[in-house]
Amino acid sequence: GAVVSQHPSWVICKSGTSVKIECRSLDFQATTMFWYRQFPKQSLMLMATSNEGSKATYEQGVEKDKFLINHASLTLSTLTVTSAHPEDSSFYICSANLIHRQTSYEQYFGPGTRLTVT
Amino acid sequence: AQSVTQPDIHITVSEGASLELRCNYSYGATPYLFWYVQSPGQGLQLLLKYFSGDTLVQGIKGFEAEFKRSQSSFNLRKPSVHWSDAAEYFCAFGDYKLSFGAGTTVTVRA
Repeated sequence: GAVVSQHPSWVICKSGTSVKIECRSLDFQATTMFWYRQFPKQSLMLMATSNEGSKATYEQGVEKDKFLINHASLTLSTLTVTSAHPEDSSFYICSANLIHRQTSYEQYFGPGTRLTVT
Repeated sequence: AQSVTQPDIHITVSEGASLELRCNYSYGATPYLFWYVQSPGQGLQLLLKYFSGDTLVQGIKGFEAEFKRSQSSFNLRKPSVHWSDAAEYFCAFGDYKLSFGAGTTVTVRA
């Protein structure tokens, strides 16, 4: 159980275009999802917290107008990279919180999306 | 500041040998601690977690970790490594939000 999917798994786009990445919790409802960015050979950096039905909370230094997050349902969050530039090329990973008995959390991660901007 | 540190960037181990990956945390209270594994082309998979209670935690794939408050450590161990254990390993802490260590790359040689 607790499977998170991402689509697409990889995408190539031209500079200046926008790209949407979907994150779905397949067998559980997730009121909270997270978006991370991972550069090669580096750790995951949290970009934003996505809450169902409300605005996302962005980490310091992350441009909210560039990385648009929508969490329209309990099983779907989307990340749109607007006006993409080559420096936005990265591995984007989402995760979803599964709450255990209202006392603790466990995050389940999607397989990631490789974005290449040319 | 609250953080986790993984001192070893890269570890090479022979197949069948034991493995220990270090993780040190800096946190005011007892944190929730996690170990994740990331294989090439795959998402992060939770190996084990520590919330409270027994300080020796058993996880999947034969891994275990021991929480030592006196040393602020949560080291991951496996008695006998398999070639399929070659991957990137991340220590993380937090509850609602997670913060990750820099990761340790494990290479397994035949």
